[in-house]
Amino acid sequence: EVQLLESGGGLVQPGGSLRLSCAASGFTFSTYAVTWVRQTPGKGLEWVSTISGSGAYTYYADSVKGRFTISRDNSKSTLFLQMNSLRVEDTALYYCAKGGNASGYEFDCWGQGSLVTVSS
Amino acid sequence: DIQMTQSPSSLSASVGDRVTITCQASQDISNYLNWYQLKTGKAPNLLISHASNLEAGVPSRFSGSGSGTEFTFTISSLQPEDIATYYCQHFANLPITFGQGTRLEI
Repeated sequence: EVQLLESGGGLVQPGGSLRLSCAASGFTFSTYAVTWVRQTPGKGLEWVSTISGSGAYTYYADSVKGRFTISRDNSKSTLFLQMNSLRVEDTALYYCAKGGNASGYEFDCWGQGSLVTVSS
Repeated sequence: DIQMTQSPSSLSASVGDRVTITCQASQDISNYLNWYQLKTGKAPNLLISHASNLEAGVPSRFSGSGSGTEFTFTISSLQPEDIATYYCQHFANLPITFGQGTRLEI
């Protein structure tokens, strides 16, 4: 069974840092692009960042570019999101999602999310 | 950026009803459109990919259609377990964007 499990969320002050992890199982992790998507009550779902299967290519939303870094460890089937210079507006439930076979942007498996709260 | 305008934002219907949600793209996205179901406390679920492709294991009462800028998602006969919020998502280019969501109530 394909599974994704996020961890690392929590409460952090504005300007602080946090590192999210996503442990994958049930599929050949290195074969697929994986993505972070966040959900807020006010803005719904927002694409954050995508990394290719090899890790050679990374893509970011303008709202997080220069502050967040996506990476992966294919030997451990784990995805990461390093979040620096956090802002109140980064408060959200962060999901990791596996890309499909066609384009990598049809997200056919999601984790249950990790809650990040940025507040003083 | 391509904007996805989804309507309605909320919808109340009865069991057995036919339910339709629309999604309009701000420019031509061909068939690069997916539909997701989000239930509180559960992982999101991909229902329809590439505008009309029903994902494996998804009940046949769900369907999608459209191309270019106009897309439709339909539940042919609403069931109690379909209570959820539904989102469209384009993937024609980056940044990927989602519609605002449709909250479905019974």
